[in-house]
Amino acid sequence: GQQLNQSPQSMFIQEGEDVSMNCTSSSIFNTWLWYKQDPGEGPVLLIALYKAGELTSNGRLTAQFGITRKDSFLNISASIPSDVGIYFCAGHMDSNYQLIWGAGTKLIIKP
Amino acid sequence: NAGVTQTPKFQVLKTGQSMTLQCAQDMNHNSMYWYRQDPGMGLRLIYYSASEGTTDKGEVPNGYNVSRLNKREFSLRLESAAPSQTSVYFCATWTGPNYGYTFGSGTRLTVV
Repeated sequence: GQQLNQSPQSMFIQEGEDVSMNCTSSSIFNTWLWYKQDPGEGPVLLIALYKAGELTSNGRLTAQFGITRKDSFLNISASIPSDVGIYFCAGHMDSNYQLIWGAGTKLIIKP
Repeated sequence: NAGVTQTPKFQVLKTGQSMTLQCAQDMNHNSMYWYRQDPGMGLRLIYYSASEGTTDKGEVPNGYNVSRLNKREFSLRLESAAPSQTSVYFCATWTGPNYGYTFGSGTRLTVV
């Protein structure tokens, strides 16, 4: 099935470092969503992007909707231990109620 | 608390056994979904229900059946469990294009 290309697959970083991850697609999306999954829980929405070129922040998180509508990135500044988890990107086309998912980026913070 | 409730949270089955995973939502959403999550594979759609009374196959429906009992409940059934169905299963509802899905906390299933 269709899936977004999300990278990197995993990241080992030091506490306090900035993090960047991105998603690309061969298809155009009208909405990009970024989710975070904590261990043992379901994914929870972090940021939603609705317009090409849009840059949106949520605390230390910043995400952008690519101009071509085929990509998006998520940045986390000054990482802290509670940032560990799996981050998923997802794209939506208005034609249906389904999301297309990336495979996830696993963030691990070294103490 | 409003949201999506899944039961059970953990389950171990022997190969060939059957079981039903339950999902209920109290947000009055029309669309509900069942996903499985495997390491490195992200989320893969098993079945979905766009509205009460309708169900459709997703990306990986083989070995599963679903029932949309009413607007609140959407169950997933494994008729004859196989080790390949060892996974974490998530139920979700469609919150809208601006917010995507609301997920339950998952059912961790092991088939031995």
